[in-house]
Amino acid sequence: AQSVTQLDSHVSVSEGTPVLLRCNYSSSYSPSLFWYVQHPNKGLQLLLKYTSAATLVKGINGFEAEFKKSETSFHLTKPSAHMSDAAEYFCVVSDRNNAGNMLTFGGGTRLMVKP
Amino acid sequence: GAVVSQHPSRVICKSGTSVKIECRSLDFQATTMFWYRQFPKQSLMLMATSNEGSKATYEQGVEKDKFLINHASLTLSTLTVTSAHPEDSSFYICSARPGTGGPYSNQPQHFGDGTRLSIL
Repeated sequence: AQSVTQLDSHVSVSEGTPVLLRCNYSSSYSPSLFWYVQHPNKGLQLLLKYTSAATLVKGINGFEAEFKKSETSFHLTKPSAHMSDAAEYFCVVSDRNNAGNMLTFGGGTRLMVKP
Repeated sequence: GAVVSQHPSRVICKSGTSVKIECRSLDFQATTMFWYRQFPKQSLMLMATSNEGSKATYEQGVEKDKFLINHASLTLSTLTVTSAHPEDSSFYICSARPGTGGPYSNQPQHFGDGTRLSIL
């Protein structure tokens, strides 16, 4: 069984300040982990993914995430927030042993960026 | 990158109408497609897994006679909401998983832009 917990339902930052979106997971097997972004009334866009290579993963739009097995965490960060980063972010886990590649979603974190 | 096209993006119709939503993988073949439902300010809930050429697998609590899924080709899956009622109003999102051997094999699911369904 696998699960994902996004610790904050809402995060508010000022433009130009760092972003931290927290995610903890549980998985019976070696997990693949993803961060997706969703803008209003849109589908999901993949930001980055971890699949057992380097633990620090760089994604699009300046985002990165670090896989920490000891802490079962995969927090998403960005050094400097931009207004266009305001959106809903989902942390997602998939067991790599699951042939169906089923995704389990966290509850989402709404990022608000103040001017 | 891999593109998934979902159509229509918005539907408004009267109660009792059946609505069909299409999900197409434009530049890759998808043996497996997924249908999700998203309520306002909530996460995505998997409704069913659609496999090309076979019956869909529905998650617990999802009525298969209400939400008909057809995956007739490697690039198209359809979700039909039959006799829709106001409680079926929601945001429906499909995703497609690239098959093996193609340029996007071993990549995660790629999502459509979603369909906002409003039943009056």
